[in-house]
Amino acid sequence: AQSVTQLGSHVSVSEGALVLLRCNYSSSVPPYLFWYVQYPNQGLQLLLKYTSAATLVKGINGFEAEFKKSETSFHLTKPSAHMSDAAEYFCAVSSNNNDMRFGAGTRLTVKP
Amino acid sequence: GAVVSQHPSWVICKSGTSVKIECRSLDFQATTMFWYRQFPKQSLMLMATSNEGSKATYEQGVEKDKFLINHASLTLSTLTVTSAHPEDSSFYICSARRGDSGNTIYFGEGSWLTVV
Repeated sequence: AQSVTQLGSHVSVSEGALVLLRCNYSSSVPPYLFWYVQYPNQGLQLLLKYTSAATLVKGINGFEAEFKKSETSFHLTKPSAHMSDAAEYFCAVSSNNNDMRFGAGTRLTVKP
Repeated sequence: GAVVSQHPSWVICKSGTSVKIECRSLDFQATTMFWYRQFPKQSLMLMATSNEGSKATYEQGVEKDKFLINHASLTLSTLTVTSAHPEDSSFYICSARRGDSGNTIYFGEGSWLTVV
C-alpha cells in the first residue's frame, strides 16, 4: 500500500520568503511522486513529478522538490513566495504511474 | 499540452435523480481513467479505476451500483451518480493516463455536483 503524509495543513509565509511544504511517503515499491496545486474551485495542475530519474526535480512557477529515499521525503520548495502562489498543494504517490494516492493537502497563504 | 475535459463543470440535480459526468481526453488516447471525489477543504479520494472496454475497479467503500462508471472508448469515461442524495454533493475529478508519452497522467478541471 502507498500513502503520503503532508505535514502541516496550513503554511503561511510572507511574500518573498522561502516556501517549504513537507511531504513524506510510504511505498513498498519505487514510487512515482507528484506535487499538484489547486486554486479555489478549480481542478489540479501538475507542478512537478519524480519518476526515478534525477532526485532534484524542477517544476513550473519556480517550484522544485527533492526526492530523499533515506528520509522517504519529497518536500516542495520555492525560494521566493509570490502572492499568486496562494493555493492548496497536494502531494501524491503512485506505483508505476498508476492510480494516485493523495495527501491531505497543505493550504499556502502568502502575506504581503 | 494534453487536455482532459470534464462536463458539466457545475450541475445541480434533485434528490433521487441520476446525473452523468463526462471525462474526455481531447488530444490523446487514455488507456486508463481514474475518478476521484473531493469534499470541501479535503483531499482527493480515489473512487475507481477504469480501463477501456472493461469493468471499473472500485475502491473499498465505494458503491459500484451507485457510482456507475463506463469507459466505452479510449477518449471517454462517464461517471453516473444514480439516485443522488445531498450527501453525494461533492467535487468530482477525473484523470486520464496517456498511453504514450511516458504514461503521463492528466487531470480534468473537475465537476461540482450539488444535490438538492
